[in-house]
Amino acid sequence: QSAPTQPASVSGSPGQSITISCTGTSSDVGGYNYVSWYQQRPGNVPKLIIYDVRTRPSGVSSRFSGSKSGNTASLTISGLQAEDEADYYCSSYTSTSTLEVFGTGTTVTVL
Amino acid sequence: EVQLVESGGDLVQPGGSLRLSCAVSGFTVSSHYMTWVRQAPGKGLEWVSVIYTGGNTYFANSVKGRFTLSRDDSKNTLYLHMDSLRPDDTAVYYCARRAAAAHTLDRWGQGTLVTVSS
Repeated sequence: QSAPTQPASVSGSPGQSITISCTGTSSDVGGYNYVSWYQQRPGNVPKLIIYDVRTRPSGVSSRFSGSKSGNTASLTISGLQAEDEADYYCSSYTSTSTLEVFGTGTTVTVL
Repeated sequence: EVQLVESGGDLVQPGGSLRLSCAVSGFTVSSHYMTWVRQAPGKGLEWVSVIYTGGNTYFANSVKGRFTLSRDDSKNTLYLHMDSLRPDDTAVYYCARRAAAAHTLDRWGQGTLVTVSS
């Protein structure tokens, strides 16, 4: 079971929008609308920010949005802020024996 | 308030064993799928195992046959038993709750560090 692929790093200036991709297979990302995104600030616990491809939990900023096309899911952060500097991980349900798989992770830097 | 508190992390020699605990409050551990996720130093998240509400357990290939997962409903606590530990098992181990109505991990513990080294 290979982890869905994410870019190692993405950067942007304050106020800009950035998009992080998460490319899997038809056995995980492409096969189910069960993609989640987690934000992990340095030294902190992962925090759920998107689930079921595009649903935001209560309390999560509307600047975060999710989408999916084929085997690739995407997380867009609009109006980038310094507090958005963190690692971001996608995850997906998978039909393989592992049941769930995390993406490789992306470090977001605010310039 | 929902809380998950892991404990049991320690320094252990290769080949050794360890038991991690995840004590939960604010919900019933048997009413949710419960998951362990680990993160090696400086690395990404890795799904390790899950226990379903009915008690079925599943494991990542990297730990299958070495780790077992159990639950004590009377103590509202989850246990991860780790045997034949290897240096590449070194990681922070997080206990996480799967949401009741979605395929996602909506609550996480603070993690406990396991170091496998001689």
